[in-house]
Amino acid sequence: QVQLKESGPGLVQPSETLSLTCTVSGFSLTSYGVNWVRQPPGKGLEWMGTIWNDGSTDYNSALKSRLSISRDTSKSQVFLKMNSLQTEDTAIYLCAREALNYGGFDYWGQGVMVTVSS
Amino acid sequence: DVVMTQTPVSLSVSLGGQVSISCRSSQSLVHNNGNTYLSWYLQKPGQSPQLLIYKVSNRFSGISDRFSGSGSGTDLTLKISRVEPDDLGVYYCGQGTQYPPTFGSGTKLEIK
Repeated sequence: QVQLKESGPGLVQPSETLSLTCTVSGFSLTSYGVNWVRQPPGKGLEWMGTIWNDGSTDYNSALKSRLSISRDTSKSQVFLKMNSLQTEDTAIYLCAREALNYGGFDYWGQGVMVTVSS
Repeated sequence: DVVMTQTPVSLSVSLGGQVSISCRSSQSLVHNNGNTYLSWYLQKPGQSPQLLIYKVSNRFSGISDRFSGSGSGTDLTLKISRVEPDDLGVYYCGQGTQYPPTFGSGTKLEIK
């Protein structure tokens, strides 16, 4: 079945770089896009970016200067890197599969909580 | 960016009752191809969001027919009938018609 699982450090120092991995199973990254979405504690959902099935990417313009999304199709992994982290980047980070022809996200990972603090 | 405005912010309903959640967009969600890419998600406590409805009114795989979506253009609605205990959580609408994808701020459903 379709599964996505995020992994990465739970604590990041201010001004440092966040690196997260989304490991997927049950589908191919060459057939589906994968998105990163974040959710500050107690708040709503913010789309961060997408890596499409062809490897191209789209980013939220508010994060574009700090964000990079890449993938390793052989390992079924999608990577997020975001630099210059600040306390307001504290959030649950989720990866979600782009639903084909739905215009939404059909499967989500469990999320990983990232705290930015010294 | 398309702003999605959800109302109400929260609501309380008795088991077996019915509720409606409204989602209004700042721009039409009708894509050039004629589709309206409006989805509804439920985030149960301590869980990640799950897709309920896509393209306004299509139930995702395994979703009960107690959930129904309707509307057009900028005015969309999610209706939940015969509310069950497992329905509690925060409901989000989300649009994929225009980039970037955006979400409403959520509606918290509580069971009386």
